[in-house]
Amino acid sequence: QSVLTQPPSVSGAPGQRVTISCTGRSSNIGAGYDVHWYQQLPGTAPKLLIYGNSNRPSGVPDRFSGSKSGTSASLAISGLQAEDEADYYCQSHDSSLSGWAFGGGTKLTVL
Amino acid sequence: EVQLVESGGGLVNPGGSLRLSCAASGFTFSNAWMSWVRQAPGKGLEWVGRIKSKTDGGTTDYAAPVKGRFTISRDDSKNTLYLVVNSLKTEDTAVYYCTTSPGSSPRGFWGQGTLVTVSS
Repeated sequence: QSVLTQPPSVSGAPGQRVTISCTGRSSNIGAGYDVHWYQQLPGTAPKLLIYGNSNRPSGVPDRFSGSKSGTSASLAISGLQAEDEADYYCQSHDSSLSGWAFGGGTKLTVL
Repeated sequence: EVQLVESGGGLVNPGGSLRLSCAASGFTFSNAWMSWVRQAPGKGLEWVGRIKSKTDGGTTDYAAPVKGRFTISRDDSKNTLYLVVNSLKTEDTAVYYCTTSPGSSPRGFWGQGTLVTVSS
């Protein structure tokens, strides 16, 4: 059982917008720690998609956006493309673990 | 260009040991907090542990499942991060990644991973 809770799967048609939720608790997201998001394409290492709740590293399209409120965070992907089909993970610091907590991952299917 | 290259994985018997390495380049390694994250086959990401930079104390923290069995260290003169894994269990079978922190530069870089398979 992951410390951060994500839906196992989401799907959408090309061009549509999808959101992926990440629910934490008072020892992680609710304590004010930043949330980061990763994209993992099949057979590859994770890639940082969003850092510090809502910031995109250089090279990440602005179709990807992040937000955080209370004990939850969300990743939104607009204008879905076939190449967005991947697993997505949220991550935050957890004071009870003295380290990182990850969500269980969400598999995005582009219909 | 930031690069992280892991090595040292392989097939090991239960109870065995390995030393994983992560060679870093393209950034000031000595200033970076470094972490190990693992991913069991078909499963999600699991944080293993972290080592701070020496200027920030050089201390380590570990996830509960590996505490007392795994040891993270660094050699800043060689720009290399290490993970010594002892008393291996079948549930330690995973791809092991080294990664920089997403909270500070260089943000969120990952190596390609090295596979550790624990089986008799």
